[in-house]
Amino acid sequence: SQKIEQNSEALNIQEGKTATLTCNYTNYSPAYLQWYRQDPGRGPVFLLLIRENEKEKRKERLKVTFDTTLKQSLFHITASQPADSATYLCALDGGGSYIPTFGRGTSLIVHP
Amino acid sequence: EADIYQTPRYLVIGTGKKITLECSQTMGHDKMYWYQQDPGMELHLIHYSYGVNSTEKGDLSSESTVSRIRTEHFPLTLESARPSHTSQYLCASSTGDSYGYTFGSGTRLTVV
Repeated sequence: SQKIEQNSEALNIQEGKTATLTCNYTNYSPAYLQWYRQDPGRGPVFLLLIRENEKEKRKERLKVTFDTTLKQSLFHITASQPADSATYLCALDGGGSYIPTFGRGTSLIVHP
Repeated sequence: EADIYQTPRYLVIGTGKKITLECSQTMGHDKMYWYQQDPGMELHLIHYSYGVNSTEKGDLSSESTVSRIRTEHFPLTLESARPSHTSQYLCASSTGDSYGYTFGSGTRLTVV
């Protein structure tokens, strides 16, 4: 069955460091992969989308990589700030169905 | 700021009651979705719609119904609420291209 795996353990880092979150998937051939931020009690907020034919995408302090051979995406936040503390979800979409499947998310805690 | 609105924000209701969760978006998006999410868990698709008069069931749809009479409105109805329905319900919309999915703030439902 299709599966999306994100590290269930919270990632704790110091302010100013680079946070790296991982999204692995199996039995899936996504057309694109998305990353979202979710704060407690709120809906996810779209951050970045990367297509299967793209290796890397950047937006301000955010960088996403997508390796379809390894079936893995890495999400980086450089110069992290306490305000970046949240849960980050990855989502896969086959493209034609427009129905994203979400991972459970990884909690990021940035300490001042 | 997301232009998708969910009401009510919080709801406590007794077992057996019929409830409707409202979702409206002002972006003209064709595609709309309902997800259920428990704390620390992944989003589970309940229903989705590709446009007016189009509705499809997701993974957890058996105890709820939706309608899509207008593009901007996608209400979710539980005919008979049960304690197992206690959860957060998230509505989302999309144009289906590369701009991701826009989520509402959610409805936190508690069935007592």
